[in-house]
Amino acid sequence: GAGVSQSPSNKVTEKGKDVELRCDPISGHTALYWYRQSLGQGLEFLIYFQGNSAPDKSGLPSDRFSAERTGGSVSTLTIQRTQQEDSAVYLCASSAHTDTQYFGPGTRLTVL
Amino acid sequence: GNSVTQMEGPVTLSEEAFLTINCTYTATGYPSLFWYVQYPGEGLQLLLKATKADDKGSNKGFEATYRKETTSFHLEKGSVQVSDSAVYFCALIPNNAGNMLTFGGGTRLMVKP
Repeated sequence: GAGVSQSPSNKVTEKGKDVELRCDPISGHTALYWYRQSLGQGLEFLIYFQGNSAPDKSGLPSDRFSAERTGGSVSTLTIQRTQQEDSAVYLCASSAHTDTQYFGPGTRLTVL
Repeated sequence: GNSVTQMEGPVTLSEEAFLTINCTYTATGYPSLFWYVQYPGEGLQLLLKATKADDKGSNKGFEATYRKETTSFHLEKGSVQVSDSAVYFCALIPNNAGNMLTFGGGTRLMVKP
């Protein structure tokens, strides 16, 4: 089957606009993760969904960031009122019952 | 808290040289340990993992041994190839605090013919 897919692959936006990033996990994977890769901060965990449990939002950097996972599958990461420091590559990963996480290709976000 | 420290790069080697990338960690209990690789223009891929002390993970000629006594998980390869040029990330998942990966800063490896 297909791996984790993410869209768009690139997104350029203006400061203050809202953006939505999409992740399609591997079919059947119950866990879904969002990470951010930036030059200054390296790879950082953002949020984690496991089945129908409440998500672990402990890595979200501010209340401008939110994420949803509909029907236990597709997830959307939303960033409101984007700032230049939000520029990064946003990575999605999914896993089954094991702890091996499989990553998507990422969405490169540039905030002008 | 949990953290991973790995040697800064870039590491530049000639083809067929021996590779070591050092990785040490801080975590309570017995975390699972991972090496991920990011080839140019591609996403993160799992290279190898180890889930308990003294386990050795191996893949594509790379090896790493989980050393609890030194809290280390150094990556080694006996003979690198140009195609191994990439960024390597050491990471852990703690055994008592969710399932999210904590990554080191990454080490860029460049192999010259």
